[in-house]
Amino acid sequence: KNEVEQSPQNLTAQEGEFITINCSYSVGISALHWLQQHPGGGIVSLFMLSSGKKKHGRLIATINIQEKHSSLHITASHPRDSAVYICAVRVRGSARQLTFGSGTQLTVLP
Amino acid sequence: DTAVSQTPKYLVTQMGNDKSIKCEQNLGHDTMYWYKQDSKKFLKIMFSYNNKELIINETVPNRFSPKSPDKAHLNLHINSLELGDSAVYFCASSGTSGYNEQFFGPGTRLTVL
Repeated sequence: KNEVEQSPQNLTAQEGEFITINCSYSVGISALHWLQQHPGGGIVSLFMLSSGKKKHGRLIATINIQEKHSSLHITASHPRDSAVYICAVRVRGSARQLTFGSGTQLTVLP
Repeated sequence: DTAVSQTPKYLVTQMGNDKSIKCEQNLGHDTMYWYKQDSKKFLKIMFSYNNKELIINETVPNRFSPKSPDKAHLNLHINSLELGDSAVYFCASSGTSGYNEQFFGPGTRLTVL
């Protein structure tokens, strides 16, 4: 079983919908990252958080340390949000490398 | 002004060959990483390295070796390439603090024939 589990694996939404992607992890962590990988392949860091909530534009990321769970929300989704969203954690005591979830493929239809 | 760059972007080679992928970062970071993304898009750490220590994922074959000529570069050397090495390889870097985000290179798609 992977230490980081994401759901759903695939998500199709209509433009304008509110989207939630979930991430659960089974280990102690020092930080959690949300990454975006576009069809062209490049990976961009969206958020890094260790507690609470962060917001950037239409993106919101939350984390509940006690429940070992994080969510990524996209408000007013747009076709350009179509990408793979990846949750990754830095396991406590494991230096700085990341352990990744398997990703969520999001497709937003116009 | 690219933050993390990798060359080449595509690499096609025959089984048994030795090849290198170069990575450079101009962010002044002191820690660099190599990740492998398999055909199912799953990312996995291969190495993390700063001036003081190299941490190797124990699942990485010793045909793979990182070489760091200086703090801004971490190259990946692969000996005796195998079909299963075909993947996309990403370089990344981060700063000293344990809470710094990582910046990724554009990836190198390696195809072994």
